[in-house]
Amino acid sequence: AQTVTQSQPEMSVQEAETVTLSCTYDTSENNYYLFWYKQPPSRQMILVIRQEAYKQQNATENRFSVNFQKAAKSFSLKISDSQLGDTAMYFCAFTLLNTGFQKLVFGTGTRLLVSP
Amino acid sequence: NAGVTQTPKFRVLKTGQSMTLLCAQDMNHEYMYWYRQDPGMGLRLIHYSVGEGTTAKGEVPDGYNVSRLKKQNFLLGLESAAPSQTSVYFCASSIGTSGFETQYFGPGTRLLVL
Repeated sequence: AQTVTQSQPEMSVQEAETVTLSCTYDTSENNYYLFWYKQPPSRQMILVIRQEAYKQQNATENRFSVNFQKAAKSFSLKISDSQLGDTAMYFCAFTLLNTGFQKLVFGTGTRLLVSP
Repeated sequence: NAGVTQTPKFRVLKTGQSMTLLCAQDMNHEYMYWYRQDPGMGLRLIHYSVGEGTTAKGEVPDGYNVSRLKKQNFLLGLESAAPSQTSVYFCASSIGTSGFETQYFGPGTRLLVL
């Protein structure tokens, strides 16, 4: 069974600084996708960034980037130039490539607080 | 374009009562999902649907039933609510099953079972 572990229950950062959220996963499969979802206080989950495991190049989306280390099964999220609106729960998620549908396995989340 | 909507937003039930949660999407997505979110845990998949008229069990299906009679709607039913079903329920939809697509989530339904 696949598992996703987020070892940081809470993180805090000041506005304009950089913060990195950790995520590790466990699978014996070789082909999969990884995601970071954001859940702001409004509760609605929003996709932040995603990574295909067969691509070595790390994904970036504006201020968000990932550090994907396949051998170490690590998928950390870096938020640069943090903004107050980044305050949210962040969930790392994983899905195998060939299950027939996108069966997301989520981590327990990291609560990020961005302060002025 | 409302995206994914959920009805109701909040509900209190007594043990043994039944209720139906409604999820609607206006993006013409084939796939729809129901998750539950409990404190200290990530979202867990209850049931999912790969198209109109189809449903399948996810990770935690016991105590729930679903129906997808119309492509845009996905209903989650609790026949006899239990306190263990107190949770926040999220519906999501996606366009297909490449595995890499975005799931679009609704705002959630908070359910309290007394």
